Amino acid sequence: EPEVTQTPSHQVTQMGQEVILRCVPISNHLYFYWYRQILGQKVEFLVSFYNNEISEKSEIFDDQFSVERPDGSNFTLKIRSTKLEDSAMYFCASSDWSSGGSGELFFGEGSRLTVL
Amino acid sequence: SQQGEEDPQALSIQEGENATMNCSYKTSINNLQWYRQNSGRGLVHLILIRSNEREKHSGRLRVTLDTSKKSSSLLITASRAADTASYFCATDASDTGGFKTIFGAGTRLFVKA
Repeated sequence: EPEVTQTPSHQVTQMGQEVILRCVPISNHLYFYWYRQILGQKVEFLVSFYNNEISEKSEIFDDQFSVERPDGSNFTLKIRSTKLEDSAMYFCASSDWSSGGSGELFFGEGSRLTVL
Repeated sequence: SQQGEEDPQALSIQEGENATMNCSYKTSINNLQWYRQNSGRGLVHLILIRSNEREKHSGRLRVTLDTSKKSSSLLITASRAADTASYFCATDASDTGGFKTIFGAGTRLFVKA
C-alpha cells in the first residue's frame, strides 16, 4: 500500500542551526501539508502546498520556515535558525485530487526534531 | 479559529464497552473527519462525514454530525484494547479558498483488557 515516508525519523540539532525535513508523498497525490505536534499536545497546521505554491499557512509558519518541492517526488520543510521551541514531531501529509485539498489526509510517521 | 475541540480530554473504559467522543467546531464546514493516533505515530484517517450527511458508519465506528449545533460524535462500539489511542476530529478551515485541515486537541482513549 502506498505510504508517505519521512526522513530523518529523529534529528538533534543545536539552536541556531538550519534543519531540512524531507517527505516523499504518495506518488499520485497533489496536495501536501506539514503539521507539527509538540509532545502530548495538539496537531498544529503549518502549511499546505498545491501546484508548486503555498495554498495556506498558519501564523506559526513565519519567515523562519519554508517549503519546497525540488523535484517530482520530494517535499521539504526547511527551518532556518532553529529555536528551542521548534522541538516537536513534524508530520508530512498528502491527499489526492479526488478528495481535493480538504479530504482524507495520508500521514507519514513523522520526524522528531530536538533542538538543544 | 475553526479548530474542533474534543471532549472528554481522556476516557478510560473496559474492553467491550462503547466509547463516545465529541467534537465541537466554530464555523461552517464542508466536511469533518476523525483520525486516530497511536502514541508517537502518524495519524490515520478513520472516517469523513460531509456537511450534508447526518450519520455514517464504518465497521465498529459510528459518526454523527449536527451542523446546527456545530458538533460531531464518534462512537466506537465493543471496544478492544487495541483501540487505545488518541482520537482527533478535523475540519476544513480555510476561509480563503485554500486547503487547510485543522485538528482539535484530541481525546485520549484507554481501553483496559
